[in-house]
Amino acid sequence: DVKVTQSSRYLVKRTGEKVFLECVQDMDHENMFWYRQDPGLGLRLIYFSYDVKMKEKGDIPEGYSVSREKKERFSLILESASTNQTSMYLCASSSTVWGQGFHEQYFGPGTRLTVT
Amino acid sequence: AQSVTQLDSHVSVSEGTPVLLRCNYSSSYSPSLFWYVQHPNKGLQLLLKYTSAATLVKGINGFEAEFKKSETSFHLTKPSAHMSDAAEYFCVGLNGGYNKLIFGAGTRLAVHP
Repeated sequence: DVKVTQSSRYLVKRTGEKVFLECVQDMDHENMFWYRQDPGLGLRLIYFSYDVKMKEKGDIPEGYSVSREKKERFSLILESASTNQTSMYLCASSSTVWGQGFHEQYFGPGTRLTVT
Repeated sequence: AQSVTQLDSHVSVSEGTPVLLRCNYSSSYSPSLFWYVQHPNKGLQLLLKYTSAATLVKGINGFEAEFKKSETSFHLTKPSAHMSDAAEYFCVGLNGGYNKLIFGAGTRLAVHP
């Protein structure tokens, strides 16, 4: 089974703190994604990466950065957390190889971040 | 660019009755479409996917969806709801390279005894 794990299920941070959210996948997937999920808005893509050290902005990258130093790990960074970044953050990964679940994204359990 | 619209934010059914969750899409080309389910405090799980093969797609847990090009719809159905089906369901399209997904706003399904 594909496994995507996220470092924390719940996190509480103060405004202005630097926040790191970690994601690890064990299926050697090329693509990795960070989303935030808010009620009534579905999931919105923050950043994605299609290879080590490669990254692309998604739909809402402002206030976030990412790092992918190893294929299995994709980190989301909030340089200076703000209250409007309180949300559920979901990580996902997918393969680019036909026959290995091409197009299918596998999601982690999510990190519920509260910024006070 | 592709977009998806889920027509109901909440659906409530009785256990044992049919489920219908509605989704419309817009796309200038043959779309790839998915349904994902999210149970409380869990990550998203793929229910089924349409990738221009058969128009009637069967998924896990008895769910299926029919792709109707004339109606630009991809509604999710199940003949008989179970209490464990209570969850949030997302209709999702595929946009561009690198497997970028476009999510609908979600439909929360409640199942009553």
